[in-house]
Amino acid sequence: EAGVVQSPRYKIIEKKQPVAFWCNPISGHNTLYWYLQNLGQGPELLIRYENEEAVDDSQLPKDRFSAERLKGVDSTLKIQPAELGDSAVYLCASSLSIQQETQYFGPGTRLLVL
Amino acid sequence: QKEVEQDPGPLSVPEGAIVSLNCTYSNSAFQYFMWYRQYSRKGPELLMYTYSSGNKEDGRFTAQVDKSSKYISLFIRDSQPSDSATYLCALAGTYKYIFGTGTRLKVLA
Repeated sequence: EAGVVQSPRYKIIEKKQPVAFWCNPISGHNTLYWYLQNLGQGPELLIRYENEEAVDDSQLPKDRFSAERLKGVDSTLKIQPAELGDSAVYLCASSLSIQQETQYFGPGTRLLVL
Repeated sequence: QKEVEQDPGPLSVPEGAIVSLNCTYSNSAFQYFMWYRQYSRKGPELLMYTYSSGNKEDGRFTAQVDKSSKYISLFIRDSQPSDSATYLCALAGTYKYIFGTGTRLKVLA
């Protein structure tokens, strides 16, 4: 069974440029999460989807970040415009709705904003 | 006060040692307690999760939860160089899921 797939793995952009990350969760997992992980820190939740509905986006900086999960399967996270402080690893995870304590993570996208 | 505290390490031990990793938390509403392992440049990988106070064992790994003290531990027996990674505790409650900062572990051959 394939795990959580993310692309790209690495991205280098200049500040003020837009960037997008893509995630395909484990088949059958209704719940999808986007996390941000800074160096030496644990993952911090940005947004959680139940199917196509964003049920927790309280930590998403909505002035520059947006996300979508149109068909309730794969998801895209966008930053526009990117700032230097956005340099981090963006992790996607998925779980069965009734087992949110067991999340499965993708490898992450490492973003560097210059 | 942070909701979860975890010693960042780094922690260096010789091969074969018993490793103890710990987290403390402040909110008694957390119901599930997880440990993840994260290798460099990889996503976190779930090692163990538990619901109740007490011990849960899986091979060389034992997770321990003390809800009365709000303290969780992960013990690794007979540690191996391949155990060198960052270990993250995670706590879950209703509509909430938070991670510790992670403890970097290095097992020396």
